[in-house]
Amino acid sequence: DVKVTQSSRYLVKRTGEKVFLECVQDMDHENMFWYRQDPGLGLRLIYFSYDVKMKEKGDIPEGYSVSREKKERFSLILESASTNQTSMYLCASSSGVREQFFGPGTRLTVL
Amino acid sequence: AQSVAQPEDQVNVAEGNPLTVKCTYSVSGNPYLFWYVQYPNRGLQFLLKYITGDNLVKGSYGFEAEFNKSQTSFHLKKPSALVSDSALYFCAVRANTGGFKTIFGAGTRLFVKA
Repeated sequence: DVKVTQSSRYLVKRTGEKVFLECVQDMDHENMFWYRQDPGLGLRLIYFSYDVKMKEKGDIPEGYSVSREKKERFSLILESASTNQTSMYLCASSSGVREQFFGPGTRLTVL
Repeated sequence: AQSVAQPEDQVNVAEGNPLTVKCTYSVSGNPYLFWYVQYPNRGLQFLLKYITGDNLVKGSYGFEAEFNKSQTSFHLKKPSALVSDSALYFCAVRANTGGFKTIFGAGTRLFVKA
């Protein structure tokens, strides 16, 4: 059974903290994605990666960075968390043009 | 630029009745189209996709969708709704002209009443 796992289901952080969200997939997929999901806005792409050490900005990269040192792991970093980054964060992976497989999500609250 | 529209925030249907969740898209070139479902407190699950070929595609849980190129639509349908189909549904589009970016709609919440 294919699987995408995320390091935390729920996370509470304070404004200004550095936050790491990790995602691991076991499907040997070359593509990995980070989205944030907000009510009424659907999923918005933050960053994606199509290979190890490669990354591309999505629609809303400001305030975020990513790291992909190994094929199976894609990390999202909030350099200095702000309250407007309170959201649900979803990681996904895919191969080629095929469908994406999503993790369970991390609900981040920034106080 | 790519875009996806799901014109209904919410769809209500009685159990046993047919359901339709609407999606229209705009993309350069030919599209890859997807439907995903999100059950409460869970990640998104893939339902079905159109890449090429037959315009009517069948997916998981009895769902199907019809690709209509002239109307740039990809509506999700099911002949007989179940209460367990109640969830949030997302349409997504990706251009086949290269690149990896998939655009998601805002989502449509489906309520199936017993």
